[in-house]
Amino acid sequence: TQLLEQSPQFLSIQEGENLTVYCNSSSVFSSLQWYRQEPGEGPVLLVTVVTGGEVKKLKRLTFQFGDARKDSSLHITAAQTGDTGLYLCAGPNTNAGKSTFGDGTTLTVKP
Amino acid sequence: NAGVTQTPKFQVLKTGQSMTLQCAQDMNHNSMYWYRQDPGMGLRLIYYSASEGTTDKGEVPNGYNVSRLNKREFSLRLESAAPSQTSVYFCASSFAGQGVHEQYFGPGTRLTVT
Repeated sequence: TQLLEQSPQFLSIQEGENLTVYCNSSSVFSSLQWYRQEPGEGPVLLVTVVTGGEVKKLKRLTFQFGDARKDSSLHITAAQTGDTGLYLCAGPNTNAGKSTFGDGTTLTVKP
Repeated sequence: NAGVTQTPKFQVLKTGQSMTLQCAQDMNHNSMYWYRQDPGMGLRLIYYSASEGTTDKGEVPNGYNVSRLNKREFSLRLESAAPSQTSVYFCASSFAGQGVHEQYFGPGTRLTVT
């Protein structure tokens, strides 16, 4: 069974601070997806990383895929209150038409 | 494009009642999924359909049934609702291929069973 562990589970910071959240596994994934879920809404896809060592930037968000394709990180620079939400990572299960999701990191950015 | 739509948005049931949650996607995706999300928790897969005509159990299938009506529609049925099924239900779809499963989610159905 492929598992994804996310840390920290909860993170509360002040606006303007930087933060990093992690998504780790003992299994190799062909790709990893990151989603953000705002309160009362469904998750929204942010990015997909495919190549080991890949770095993708989305404005103030930087996503990195580990060299061995077993882990990923999300770094947010100068967090804003609009970044508040649940951040989920997910990866395809081998030979199955479904994905494994981590339990998520709940981020609260205070003004 | 509407993406993934779900109906209803809210529902209150009494224990033992039945209902069907509807989901439709207009992105021509081959795979569709039903998840439940309990307060403060992540997503748990109930059932999924990798392609039209196939369905498979996820990690929490008990008490639910599904129907992949066609490529666009995937419904979830609760035959006899229980308070433990109080949750938010999300439908999602993806074009699952070449090692990338980018899922697109609907807005959710908030179900309360009393």
